[in-house]
Amino acid sequence: DVKVTQSSRYLVKRTGEKVFLECVQDMDHENMFWYRQDPGLGLRLIYFSYDVKMKEKGDIPEGYSVSREKKERFSLILESASTNQTSMYLCASRKVGHEQFFGPGTRLTVL
Amino acid sequence: ILNVEQSPQSLHVQEGDSTNFTCSFPSSNFYALHWYRWETAKSPEALFVMTLNGDEKKKGRISATLNTKEGYSYLYIKGSQPEDSATYLCAPTTGTASKLTFGTGTRLQVTL
Repeated sequence: DVKVTQSSRYLVKRTGEKVFLECVQDMDHENMFWYRQDPGLGLRLIYFSYDVKMKEKGDIPEGYSVSREKKERFSLILESASTNQTSMYLCASRKVGHEQFFGPGTRLTVL
Repeated sequence: ILNVEQSPQSLHVQEGDSTNFTCSFPSSNFYALHWYRWETAKSPEALFVMTLNGDEKKKGRISATLNTKEGYSYLYIKGSQPEDSATYLCAPTTGTASKLTFGTGTRLQVTL
């Protein structure tokens, strides 16, 4: 049974805090992705990685960074959280040329 | 950023009705078109990955067609059931390793 897991389902942080969202997949997928989902805006890509230590900016990378030190793990970092980063964050992974598998999501609230 | 449009934005049907949605995308540099179903409080799940012009895929009561030359795909649900209630997302991609660009989805609600 394929699996993408995220470190937290719900997270509450304060403005200015550094936030780490962790994602782990057990399918040996090359590609991993971070999205945020906001009402009326659909899924928007923040960053993606197509291999270890490789990363590319998605459509809305401002205010975020990522880390991929191991193939199975892709971390999203909010260097200094702001209230406009309150959102649902979804991680996904994909074998090249195949469908994408999503994690359960992390609902982040920044106060 | 690819321009992906889905219509309608939302749809409310009765149990037993058949329905269809549209996904429009740029036809240039096309590689594949993905369809996903996203139920409330769950993660999106893949329905189909389609690559060939004229392709038709089926999974139970759900089927999809693809026209890569004109840049659209249709998703059909035959005899809708309440468990079909979800948001249906499409996402084209321009290469094997490239990112998916998701549309904003069609939200389907099926009532008894």
